[in-house]
Amino acid sequence: DAKTTQPPSMDCAEGRAANLPCNHSTISGNEYVYWYRQIHSQGPQYIIHGLKNNETNEMASLIITEDRKSSTLILPHATLRDTAVYYCIVRGFNQGGKLIFGQGTELSVKP
Amino acid sequence: DAGITQSPRYKITETGRQVTLMCHQTWSHSYMFWYRQDLGHGLRLIYYSAAADITDKGEVPDGYVVSRSKTENFPLTLESATRSQTSVYFCASSESGVSEAFFGQGTRLTVV
Repeated sequence: DAKTTQPPSMDCAEGRAANLPCNHSTISGNEYVYWYRQIHSQGPQYIIHGLKNNETNEMASLIITEDRKSSTLILPHATLRDTAVYYCIVRGFNQGGKLIFGQGTELSVKP
Repeated sequence: DAGITQSPRYKITETGRQVTLMCHQTWSHSYMFWYRQDLGHGLRLIYYSAAADITDKGEVPDGYVVSRSKTENFPLTLESATRSQTSVYFCASSESGVSEAFFGQGTRLTVV
């Protein structure tokens, strides 16, 4: 299974962009990169996912490098409510569709 | 209401008792998952299911049993609860093996 590596914690000033990196150097060609976040003890929330191309939705942007070995989740204007643990996950059919969480990055947005 | 629901939300049980946590989704999603999350830790996959009558082990399956006779339900049973199974349990579902997953609100289980 492709593994991901994320920094354990990051800080970001309110109103600034938060850039969360993820390394997935063993990703296979048909595996997707997913980002989820978990606020306090709530159930994880889906943010965005992508295969090769950069993706953007109302919550965030996902930048995937050309070799697909790493990616960055961008929250363009972080708010205090974005304080959460962010998980980068690699998922694909060759893993049987399993969704395996790593340790994630604890993002603290500060006023 | 559409969505994914877990029941009960809170449960206290005694060591050695059998307890079943319920998970129900209204989307007819093919995939369903059970996770546990211990205090201060990430989520660990217990079991997952790709379709009705198809289940597979995750990272920490010991001590748990699952079944999936209907697409919309995925119960998790602790046949003989132990204190080490005190945790918050999350259920999730996704339409396919590469689509986004939706999570329930969690069940907080305490084994005394």
